[in-house]
Amino acid sequence: EADIYQTPRYLVIGTGKKITLECSQTMGHDKMYWYQQDPGMELHLIHYSYGVNSTEKGDLSSESTVSRIRTEHFPLTLESARPSHTSQYLCASSELGTQGNEQFFGPGTRLTVL
Amino acid sequence: GESVGLHLPTLSVQEGDNSIINCAYSNSASDYFIWYKQESGKGPQFIIDIRSNMDKRQGQRVTVLLNKTVKHLSLQIAATQPGDSAVYFCAETSYNQGGKLIFGQGTELSVKP
Repeated sequence: EADIYQTPRYLVIGTGKKITLECSQTMGHDKMYWYQQDPGMELHLIHYSYGVNSTEKGDLSSESTVSRIRTEHFPLTLESARPSHTSQYLCASSELGTQGNEQFFGPGTRLTVL
Repeated sequence: GESVGLHLPTLSVQEGDNSIINCAYSNSASDYFIWYKQESGKGPQFIIDIRSNMDKRQGQRVTVLLNKTVKHLSLQIAATQPGDSAVYFCAETSYNQGGKLIFGQGTELSVKP
C-alpha cells in the first residue's frame, strides 16, 4: 500500500471560504501531482511538481494554487471556494528519473462547496 | 489533441468469467501504459503496466495486451471475483511528457455473484 496521505477526506464548506487540501508522502518521491475527478469520470491533471520549489499547471485549468516547500508535502489551496469547485481531488507521487512513471495515489479529498 | 479513451463505459460479468476491458489511445509516441483500478471512495490503485517494446504482460490473474498498430490496449481479468468490481482506467505517457499521465474515461466493472 502506498504511503501517501490526504486530509481531510471529506470537506463541506460555504462559498467564499479559503481552504487548503493537504497531501503528504513518505516515499521520498520527487514528483507530485494533483488531479481533479468528477464521479465516474477520468482524472484531469491540475498541478504538478518535479521537486522542491517546482510547480507547474496541469492540463486542466484550475483556480487553485499549490506550493512545494518540502519534498514530502504538496498542499493545494483555493482562495475563495465556489460551487463549481465541488469535486474529488486526488494527490499522487512518483519517482523522478525512472523510465516508468507509476504514480501512487492518495485516497482523495471529496470537496463540496455549498 | 491527445486522448485516451475506453470503448465501453460499463461491463457486467458473472463471477468466475473472464473480463476484458478495452482502451484506445491516440498518441503514437506513447511508450508506457498503466491500468489502474479505482474502488468507490478510494484513489486509483496500480494494477499492471506495459512498455511499448512489449505486446503482452501478465500479472496475477491479469494480462495486459498492447497493439501498437491500432493503438489499442486491453486488460484481461481471469476468473473475475466480486472484489474486482470497480472502475478501471487506462493511462498513457511517454518519456518526453515528463511523467505526466493522460487518463482515459473509466470502465465500470460489475461482477454478479
